[in-house]
Amino acid sequence: NAGVMQNPRHLVRRRGQEARLRCSPMKGHSHVYWYRQLPEEGLKFMVYLQKENIIDESGMPKERFSAEFPKEGPSILRIQQVVRGDSAAYFCASSPWGNVLTFGAGSRLTVL
Amino acid sequence: DQQVKQNSPSLSVQEGRISILNCDYTNSMFDYFLWYKKYPAEGPTFLISISSIKDKNEDGRFTVFLNKSAKHLSLHIVPSQPGDSAVYFCAARTTGAQKLVFGQGTRLTINP
Repeated sequence: NAGVMQNPRHLVRRRGQEARLRCSPMKGHSHVYWYRQLPEEGLKFMVYLQKENIIDESGMPKERFSAEFPKEGPSILRIQQVVRGDSAAYFCASSPWGNVLTFGAGSRLTVL
Repeated sequence: DQQVKQNSPSLSVQEGRISILNCDYTNSMFDYFLWYKKYPAEGPTFLISISSIKDKNEDGRFTVFLNKSAKHLSLHIVPSQPGDSAVYFCAARTTGAQKLVFGQGTRLTINP
């Protein structure tokens, strides 16, 4: 039973480019969460999704960031026109419902 | 607004001794608390949790204590082992909400 799979593990983008981060939840988990960890900081909630629905996006920046969790395929976190401040580790987590979240290994985005 | 606070960025403990990590929260609506452990370049892994109806939960070398009146919880690790060296995150959840709110983390170093 594979855990939460994230790819790519490392992504380098130049300012103004787009970044797409993918997350496949654990088998049987229908809830997906995205968190961001800036250098030397804790994990900040970004968005919570269930299949085809965004449930809570209160932590998402208002511009340039979007997330989806389609009926088929992984969840995608998309960052348009990246800036240096977007450089961070992005963690995806999944759960069958609430409480304990299982995290992936993260995707580290570096913006040059 | 930091609802979950870990005021000690780092802690150093001798192998075999007790490690005590602390966490304070401000939101009285939190009803479930968790501790996660994170190694470098990996995602956080779940360690132990406690419901607000309890004041203590134990799992092997790990014990979590909850003091609701003080809005404080702590994680005790005894005896501490070198493999316990990691960053520890405290997290909390409100009733009916799915997302977890994390503290900034405490870096624990176990010295041989």
